[in-house]
Amino acid sequence: NAGVTQTPKFQVLKTGQSMTLQCAQDMNHNSMYWYRQDPGMGLRLIYYSASEGTTDKGEVPNGYNVSRLNKREFSLRLESAAPSQTSVYFCGTKAGTTGPYEQYFGPGTRLTVT
Amino acid sequence: TQLLEQSPQFLSIQEGENLTVYCNSSSVFSSLQWYRQEPGEGPVLLVTVVTGGEVKKLKRLTFQFGDARKDSSLHITAAQPGDTGLYLCAGAVTGNQFYFGTGTSLTVIP
Repeated sequence: NAGVTQTPKFQVLKTGQSMTLQCAQDMNHNSMYWYRQDPGMGLRLIYYSASEGTTDKGEVPNGYNVSRLNKREFSLRLESAAPSQTSVYFCGTKAGTTGPYEQYFGPGTRLTVT
Repeated sequence: TQLLEQSPQFLSIQEGENLTVYCNSSSVFSSLQWYRQEPGEGPVLLVTVVTGGEVKKLKRLTFQFGDARKDSSLHITAAQPGDTGLYLCAGAVTGNQFYFGTGTSLTVIP
C-alpha cells in the first residue's frame, strides 16, 4: 500500500521545455490536488479534481494543465517551463468530495527551471 | 495575496520550553487543519477543527479554533527535539479548496 506516489522526484528543465508530473494513489480517494510550495509561501493550490472526470482551477493555475486520467491518476503538465515555476510540487488526495476530510500528500517533485 | 498568515515565521527554542503558533485570516473557514512537514516529505495532518471555539488536544499539542472561525492557534507544551519541523495551517473555504498558511519553521534545541 504505497499511498500517494509522485514521479519524478527531481527534475531540471531549461526554459521553454515541457514536462508532465505524475501522481498516483491507491487509497481509492475521490479528490486529488496539485500544489506548489515556495519558500515563505506555504502551499498554493494549482488545480484540483473533485472526482474522476472533473478538474477545476485553484489559486495559481497559469502555465499549467492537468488531466484526471482515471480515479487513481492525476497529472500536471508544464507546456513551456519558466524559471518562475521552479518549486516543489506536491500531489494530495482526499477521501470525500466535501467536508473536512484529511488530505494525504505524496513526497513531492523538486523542479528547477534554468 | 496570502489568505492565511502564520506567526512567527521562524522559532528556535530550547527543549522543555512552551510555544504558541498563530494562524490568522480575515476570511471565515468551514474547517481548519494543522499539518507538520519534515524536510523532503509532504505535510502530515495533525488535527482538524470545525466548530468555532473548539479546542483539541493531541498529547502535548493544543489546538484552538477562533470563535468566529477566522483564526487558530497551536500551543506546544514542553517542546522536544522531535517536534522540530514546519507547521502549516490550512483553511477550507469550500469542501474542496484549501488555503495554506505561510508556515512556521520550529527548531527545538536539545
